[in-house]
Amino acid sequence: DSGVTQTPKHLITATGQRVTLRCSPRSGDLSVYWYQQSLDQGLQFLIQYYNGEERAKGNILERFSAQQFPDLHSELNLSSLELGDSALYFCASRSGQMDEQFFGPGTRLTVL
Amino acid sequence: GDSVTQMEGPVTLSEEAFLTINCTYTATGYPSLFWYVQYPGEGLQLLLKATKADDKGSNKGFEATYRKETTSFHLEKGSVQVSDSAVYFCALSITGGGNKLTFGTGTQLKVEL
Repeated sequence: DSGVTQTPKHLITATGQRVTLRCSPRSGDLSVYWYQQSLDQGLQFLIQYYNGEERAKGNILERFSAQQFPDLHSELNLSSLELGDSALYFCASRSGQMDEQFFGPGTRLTVL
Repeated sequence: GDSVTQMEGPVTLSEEAFLTINCTYTATGYPSLFWYVQYPGEGLQLLLKATKADDKGSNKGFEATYRKETTSFHLEKGSVQVSDSAVYFCALSITGGGNKLTFGTGTQLKVEL
């Protein structure tokens, strides 16, 4: 158990809809990262937050947004969903003193 | 930009065989290097890491050495077990660049009795 939790575990929705994925980092970790894992794109970095502030952006679509709240949990919002958004979405957290990131179990999103 | 290249899978081995999974990288700065493992239906677990040239990371019988001269971080294990069957990802991060991870495509390992 990495100490990072993600909900829900599975999400099935229709094209055009909007969903919210939730992540709670390990206790004390200020940095949260979101990654997308798909068959065609592999594992890709989406966005990073540090103590409530956006720190880095990767290949994140404009239809996607994220935020980190004062209690340090983070949410990834995906809107106007398309079939191609079907993927595993992972959250990871990192302690400021360490290089490594610890991953949650992921949310599997299926867009029908 | 930064990138990681891994050998294509799947790699199929008999139990107790020697394992090597090749990984090379391209980076603009001085990266930290990682191997993560993903078991079926699970998230990614950190297997080992190395933060500077000539460092050797090791865990659970797996080893990898940070080779700056060949920009490589090959994963090795002397004797694999069926329980090692998983997908292995090589990754790098740059300190000061937010430490985001750049992953290779992953290598699936299947170990048979």
